[in-house]
Amino acid sequence: NAGVTQTPKFRVLKTGQSMTLLCAQDMNHEYMYWYRQDPGMGLRLIHYSVGEGTTAKGEVPDGYNVSRLKKQNFLLGLESAAPSQTSVYFCASSYSGTANQPQHFGDGTRLSIL
Amino acid sequence: AQSVTQLDSHVSVSEGTPVLLRCNYSSSYSPSLFWYVQHPNKGLQLLLKYTSAATLVKGINGFEAEFKKSETSFHLTKPSAHMSDAAEYFCVVSETDSSYKLIFGSGTRLLVRP
Repeated sequence: NAGVTQTPKFRVLKTGQSMTLLCAQDMNHEYMYWYRQDPGMGLRLIHYSVGEGTTAKGEVPDGYNVSRLKKQNFLLGLESAAPSQTSVYFCASSYSGTANQPQHFGDGTRLSIL
Repeated sequence: AQSVTQLDSHVSVSEGTPVLLRCNYSSSYSPSLFWYVQHPNKGLQLLLKYTSAATLVKGINGFEAEFKKSETSFHLTKPSAHMSDAAEYFCVVSETDSSYKLIFGSGTRLLVRP
């Protein structure tokens, strides 16, 4: 049972470089989410998707873009990385958007921007 | 506006003694509440959830939580701590009609002494 898989697990970038984080889920979930986790803080929602071909902004969307071309994949892009984007990024998915459906998380991508 | 406050950033217990992790919430709606656990370098795993059914909720690994509306609390407990319980714990609240709008507490790190 793979669940939610994130690649890569670690990455170091230089300021101004671009990269894409990939999230894949094999649970046929409709909803997918990208969060960032910073020290001393809980998770903050960057973007989310309620279905294939749809995306929406979360709490902290600036500097990020996303795409959901296939139901099982949700990509997070950084067009021009900045040191403030150094963080641990988590992808999650849920069966639906109702409150009794918990979110299932990947193991995270640790990203450092120098 | 919804919010979650985890009252302790760190809790230290001896193995075999009870665990209490405190969480207060603020919500204008009937909330759904969750506890997630995060082990080092791992994603978040659902421990338990409250969705307006029984106020005492049992979760995995012997954890349970009690929803107290009058006190706006959702404290997590376990009768006897195990070394494997050492991790970070997040209290999370969502609105009743939109689970994608999760509000995370800042986390409580549980240390278990031998």
